Amino acid sequence: QSALTQPASVSGSPGQSITISCIGTNSDVGPYNYVSWYQQHPGKAPKLMIYEVTNRPSGVSNRFSGSKSGNTASLTISGLQAEDEADYYCNSYTSSNTLVFGGGTKLTVL
Amino acid sequence: EVQLLESGGGLVQPGGSLRLSCAASGFTFSNYAMGWVRQAPGKGLEWVSAISDSGGVTSYADSVKGRFTFSRDNSYNTLYLQMNSLRAEDTAVYYCAKGRSGTRNGMDVWGQGTTVTVSS
Repeated sequence: QSALTQPASVSGSPGQSITISCIGTNSDVGPYNYVSWYQQHPGKAPKLMIYEVTNRPSGVSNRFSGSKSGNTASLTISGLQAEDEADYYCNSYTSSNTLVFGGGTKLTVL
Repeated sequence: EVQLLESGGGLVQPGGSLRLSCAASGFTFSNYAMGWVRQAPGKGLEWVSAISDSGGVTSYADSVKGRFTFSRDNSYNTLYLQMNSLRAEDTAVYYCAKGRSGTRNGMDVWGQGTTVTVSS
């Protein structure tokens, strides 16, 4: 159950777009469309932003989008806003019937 | 309002036990799989365990398998995480979370977390 691989940090200016990658394996991200993304502000509980690779829960801005190619999933945030500054975690179902998180990415809005 | 409220955290010595609870309200509890996720101080999220809507199927991270037991009482809309043989590395904030249907479909409601500290 090795963690998915995410960049430790990304940054962007307001209005720009950023993409956070999430690299898995043939045992988790690759074969399943069960990748989720979570946003976490300091001291707060995580919030679901994307589920099943590409789907947004009700109430989540359409500036957030997800995709997947092979063993790599991605979260793209367009039109960056100050409130997007947070930690982001990917999560995938695995062939062992477990879930695994990525190490997390700290997004800084410059 | 859909809500999850964890309780039962605290300070425990290495090798000790603790039972966390998570009370659910505002949705049909018995229709959804549920999960536990933890976060060690200054670290990232770690998936701990999941349970099916009926409670008949459970799964665990390797790091807690054989030590933790996840159960639910659908009559009382409550989850339980029995933690035995606790280690220093189990120190974390523990969150319970609701699956959209299964937890692999995304966890869309989270509690505020309860803190477990394992230390002598």
